[in-house]
Amino acid sequence: EVQLVESGGGLIQPGGSLRLSCAASGLTVTSNYMSWVRQAPGKGLEWVSIVYSGGSTYYADSVKGRFTVSRDNSKNTLFLQMNSLRPEDTAVYYCARGGGPYGDYPYFDFWGQGTLVTVSS
Amino acid sequence: SYVLTQPPSVSVAPGKTARITCGGNNIGSKNVHWYQQKPGQAPVLVMYYDTDRPSGIPERFSGSNSGNTATLTISRVEAGDEADYYCQVFDSSSDGRVFGGGTKLTVL
Repeated sequence: EVQLVESGGGLIQPGGSLRLSCAASGLTVTSNYMSWVRQAPGKGLEWVSIVYSGGSTYYADSVKGRFTVSRDNSKNTLFLQMNSLRPEDTAVYYCARGGGPYGDYPYFDFWGQGTLVTVSS
Repeated sequence: SYVLTQPPSVSVAPGKTARITCGGNNIGSKNVHWYQQKPGQAPVLVMYYDTDRPSGIPERFSGSNSGNTATLTISRVEAGDEADYYCQVFDSSSDGRVFGGGTKLTVL
């Protein structure tokens, strides 16, 4: 059974940094396309970033240059390093696995329960 | 970047058919995926590659995609179908993933 468990959220002041973790079981993080998706309070889903199994990374324009996605094979964990945080980054952050049979893994078939990040002074 | 447009809300009586649309420029040339999200819960994949249902999703859920509109159809709607629904595509120009704004389905 696949399980994704996020942690690391909390209250942080604008301009601060935070690192989120997503501990995986039932799948190997480095063998999958792993994404971060966020949802601001009362708003819709927004894709944030992805790391491909080969190591390539991609980001939404809203976080490019501020957020960095990485992974630790020994811990089977996905990370999101968030720097220069802004109030508009306030959201529940989900990690999700890319699914699909054709190699581009375009959808998300497994999701964690999310961790809340609040950016406020 | 690619934009997906959904109606903010759709209402339907129990037992009737709900159709939730997702508009995008020539979206028929893309593969569309759909998620259901209930309050306080993570999203759940309910349709992928336009018309494929994951295991465990009722046959009442179906999808279509043509031209500039993709549609998620829920037949014989039940109270338990009340949720937010999101469409999503892969944007090959940026290797990004794009979500629609979401549609709140209300069962009257």
